[in-house]
Formats: sequence, C-alpha cells, structure tokens
Amino acid sequence: EIVLTQSPGTLSLSPGERVTLSCRASQIVTSSYLAWYQQQPGQAPRLLIYGASNRAPGIPARFSGSGSGTDFTLTISRLEPEDFTVYYCQLYDSSYPAYIFGQGTKLEI
Amino acid sequence: QVQLQESGPGLVKPSGTLSLTCSVSSGSITSAFWWSWVRQSPGRGLEWIAEIHHGGSTNYNPSLKSRVTVSVDKSKNQFSLNLNSLTAADTAVYYCARHVPVTGQRGFDYWGQGTLVTVSS
Repeated sequence: EIVLTQSPGTLSLSPGERVTLSCRASQIVTSSYLAWYQQQPGQAPRLLIYGASNRAPGIPARFSGSGSGTDFTLTISRLEPEDFTVYYCQLYDSSYPAYIFGQGTKLEI
Repeated sequence: QVQLQESGPGLVKPSGTLSLTCSVSSGSITSAFWWSWVRQSPGRGLEWIAEIHHGGSTNYNPSLKSRVTVSVDKSKNQFSLNLNSLTAADTAVYYCARHVPVTGQRGFDYWGQGTLVTVSS
C-alpha cells in the first residue's frame, strides 16, 4: 500500500507570495493518477489538478501542478486571500487498489 | 453543471447499518463512468470508501470491503452506500463524488455537500 506524505503540515505566508506544496509517494506511481484538492472550512474538497498537471475547468491559472515518479508539487503563483485553506493530494493506488489521500497542508496568513 | 446531494439519517446506532443515497441532478449518472463515496473525520482524514460504475461494477477500499455495499439506480439517477457493523470510528462526514470523465485520468470533479453521520446510542 502506497503512503502519501504532504509537506509541510502548515505554512505561514502572505497574500501575493508564491508557494509550492509537496506530495511524496512511498513508491513510484502513475502521474495520471495524482490529483490535488482545495478544501475550505465546512465545504467539500474542490478538484484543482488531475493527472498531476491538468487544471480542472474553472480553476484559476495561478494554480499549477507538476511532478513524476514519487514527487509531485502544487504551485500557487500569487496567493489570494481565499487561497489560505487546506490542500490535499490524492492518488489512485492500482496495486492496493484504492484511492488514498495525503494528510493535508494548511496555508495560513 | 452536475449537482450531487447526499441523503440519509444523521444518527445511527452502534452495530447498526448506515444507508446513504446520492442523487445526481442537472446531468445524467451516465455522464461519467465512475462514482465514489468518500468520508472525512478528524482522526482519519479523507478516506475513500468505494466506487461504482453506472453499469453496476464496484470496487471497495480493502480496509472496509467486508462491511460495504454500493449500488446504482439509473432510473432514479442515484447511487447508494450501505455500511454495516458500525462503531464510533465510522462517525464522519460522508461525501459522494463524480470521477473525472477522462479516460486514464483520476480525480473527483464534482462532490456533494457532505452529510454528517454520527454513530451513537
């Protein structure tokens, strides 16, 4: 069973800054199986990126995803006030098989 | 755009069965191949439970497989979740979600608002 580790757990930043969030898998994975979500308090997760680098419809261009193998990143080029919340990566582990989530990274002002 | 809405009891007794339904509106359940149930609790984070194809094929999280059943009713544009042998550890917000309708890609692009299920006597 693959384990996803997100780092850091919490990040303190200011609006306008650039940030890169990390998601590391415990073994090499298929990039097309990696997604990123944003979750606001009291709301369902919102898909930002699927297939490691494909922005979901309606997602602002400041969000981008990249990576391969075991290391994946979500970059927010210029933080807006509404971006300060929690982000999760998700992977489909075909060997288990199941969808697994990272533990999340919280962005705080 | 597609909308999903979970429905079911918010309180279930220990050892009982949780039954939830996800109603799909503003679109057909055949708009995507696969649909899932996901739950979230403070102690366990986000946890995928199961997926179902609109044709009826299913896959379950191995950690929950012995207690879970999912089904689909295309005539009602709905799919459902049953989870039995409940304990307090099953207390969570339960979401239904749609898989991105892109071959070879994974991700859940539409989610219900979530429903809190508490397991307590």
